[in-house]
Amino acid sequence: DAKTTQPPSMDCAEGRAANLPCNHSTISGNEYVYWYRQIHSQGPQYIIHGLKNNETNEMASLIITEDRKSSTLILPHATLRDTAVYYCIVFTGGATNKLIFGTGTLLAVQP
Amino acid sequence: DAGVTQSPTHLIKTRGQQVTLRCSPKSGHDTVSWYQQALGQGPQFIFQYYEEEERQRGNFPDRFSGHQFPNYSSELNVNALLLGDSALYLCASSLGQINSPLHFGNGTRLTVT
Repeated sequence: DAKTTQPPSMDCAEGRAANLPCNHSTISGNEYVYWYRQIHSQGPQYIIHGLKNNETNEMASLIITEDRKSSTLILPHATLRDTAVYYCIVFTGGATNKLIFGTGTLLAVQP
Repeated sequence: DAGVTQSPTHLIKTRGQQVTLRCSPKSGHDTVSWYQQALGQGPQFIFQYYEEEERQRGNFPDRFSGHQFPNYSSELNVNALLLGDSALYLCASSLGQINSPLHFGNGTRLTVT
């Protein structure tokens, strides 16, 4: 079973920041928080990951709470092309680990 | 730099037949994982290959088998196809080390009639 909980859907106005929450209260000390998104009929796209510090890249920012029990993915200026299902996953990586996908959040960016 | 490539993109098979799907990992990656995604659901882990060996397996029957070649490319084989095997089959590659993100291809859409 997935170790994360996400809202099933969210709306966001184009040009505004999209803040996607994720709860992972049973995360282990060696597990990272990963975010992927899946646009219709495509494979999941890696967005960002972090362990305990906030992270930022060209796509998004990841804010992880100090107790690591929850996190928020931030898309600073959402566009229509950001409409997708967003998956939050806890994962250690490596050669003998697997991604366990939950149901994700369907983000709908509105014009 | 090519990402993960999968072939074919679409495939239609008849119940009882066998199918082989192929995956080339992202350049520099040595680990390949396969996932099955049924319509409206998240991807489900099938198995993972590293150093040409199956390292971990999900809850899938033995009809699902795989192989990894010395160049790190991989094949997924499914025997005795069932209607329920219709799905998007995703390949993901990564480095076999901690904190290495998986990168996915766009999948093979398999339809079993």
